Amino acid sequence: SSELTQDPAVSVALGQTVRITCQGDSLRSYYASWYQQKPGQAPVLVIYGKNNRPSGIPDRFSGSSSGNTASLTITGAQAEDEADYYCNSRDSSGNHHYVFGTGTKVTVL
Amino acid sequence: EVQLVESGGGLVQPGRSLRLSCAASGFTFDDYAMHWVRQAPGKGLEWVSGISWNSGSTGYADSVKGRFTISRDNAKNSLYLQMNSLRAEDTALYYCAKDIGFLESSVFDYWGQGTLVTVSS
Repeated sequence: SSELTQDPAVSVALGQTVRITCQGDSLRSYYASWYQQKPGQAPVLVIYGKNNRPSGIPDRFSGSSSGNTASLTITGAQAEDEADYYCNSRDSSGNHHYVFGTGTKVTVL
Repeated sequence: EVQLVESGGGLVQPGRSLRLSCAASGFTFDDYAMHWVRQAPGKGLEWVSGISWNSGSTGYADSVKGRFTISRDNAKNSLYLQMNSLRAEDTALYYCAKDIGFLESSVFDYWGQGTLVTVSS
């Protein structure tokens, strides 16, 4: 099965921009989706497809992809963006399998 | 309002079985694929299993294949996960998640609050 690798932790100053990356072979074939998870809460979808935001997700969240790397960018980070972020994609094996990234803890300073 | 409410978790001994349920409301259940995702204490998310809108397609993580069975009852707006031969490493919070489409994809647009499964003697 495929693996999706993320940096364990990143920090960003309030109001600044942070990019979270997700690397894996499957990303050459499939888009990643991105989830935000705050402590004690269920994950929330923030980005999917080429760069789509579900209703209610602020436009400071955006997504991009190049080669085997997908990225989630938060432009003008807010205190409420402090959370764990996970990418997810279809397994490149061709089976109906899906894999989550290792997760990135974002701290807003 | 979309709601997903999981139930059926609890403490179970290794080797025993447990059946999780997910009651869905607020959307046309049989129009969408569904998934189970788990999270071990203090760990990341792990996709467990998915099922298409009509049960015609199912998928399982290698870690549970042959032990877990996903199913759905569209008449009851419910999703299930039958878990057999449970192991300590199956201990986790199990989430029910709605897919964005009728076939399985990696886009889970709504999640329940989870039900905790603890496997221990």
